[in-house]
Amino acid sequence: DGGITQSPKYLFRKEGQNVTLSCEQNLNHDAMYWYRQDPGQGLRLIYYSQIVNDFQKGDIAEGYSVSREKKESFPLTVTSAQKNPTAFYLCASIPDRGEAFFGQGTRLTVV
Amino acid sequence: DAKTTQPPSMDCAEGRAANLPCNHSTISGNEYVYWYRQIHSQGPQYIIHGLKNNETNEMASLIITEDRKSSTLILPHATLRDTAVYYCIVRVDHTGTASKLTFGTGTRLQVTL
Repeated sequence: DGGITQSPKYLFRKEGQNVTLSCEQNLNHDAMYWYRQDPGQGLRLIYYSQIVNDFQKGDIAEGYSVSREKKESFPLTVTSAQKNPTAFYLCASIPDRGEAFFGQGTRLTVV
Repeated sequence: DAKTTQPPSMDCAEGRAANLPCNHSTISGNEYVYWYRQIHSQGPQYIIHGLKNNETNEMASLIITEDRKSSTLILPHATLRDTAVYYCIVRVDHTGTASKLTFGTGTRLQVTL
């Protein structure tokens, strides 16, 4: 079955630690996106990518980094520079025409 | 991409139609209107989209005004399972360039008995 998979579902990070969230899709979509969602808030765009080895900053890119070495994969690293990383993170892939497909999200908590 | 504005919350009685408005007054001629909904702690789910004609599918209907500056999502017979946050976004469908796809804060629909 085609789809988009995020892992892990829950992630705990210590202060000062970098962590990487995985996002994989087998839908053959070129564009992939990362969003952050805080409680009771909408989705805010972190990074997006149209093709391999190319990505663009979204509205809240500071403290995050991404890579796009394969079409199917768009991992997000939350660095120690992100001062308030506790949030729900959503990955999406989007075809040239049609709707976005979202993963089920990763809930990151700083402990 | 054009921005959208939606009311923060709405209530609807179960079995009645839920009409969710969206304003997109700066929409461009080639931008589609998309609707998604998000149930707590899940990824958003696609509902429907359209360019300028009204659209209907098994989930909902989409009514777009003639000037395309606003639209309404209609859930014809709302159930408790329709309680969710509904997002209206606009997006250009084209090849070659990723659009900066932004979501607003959406409308929180509460369906009640």
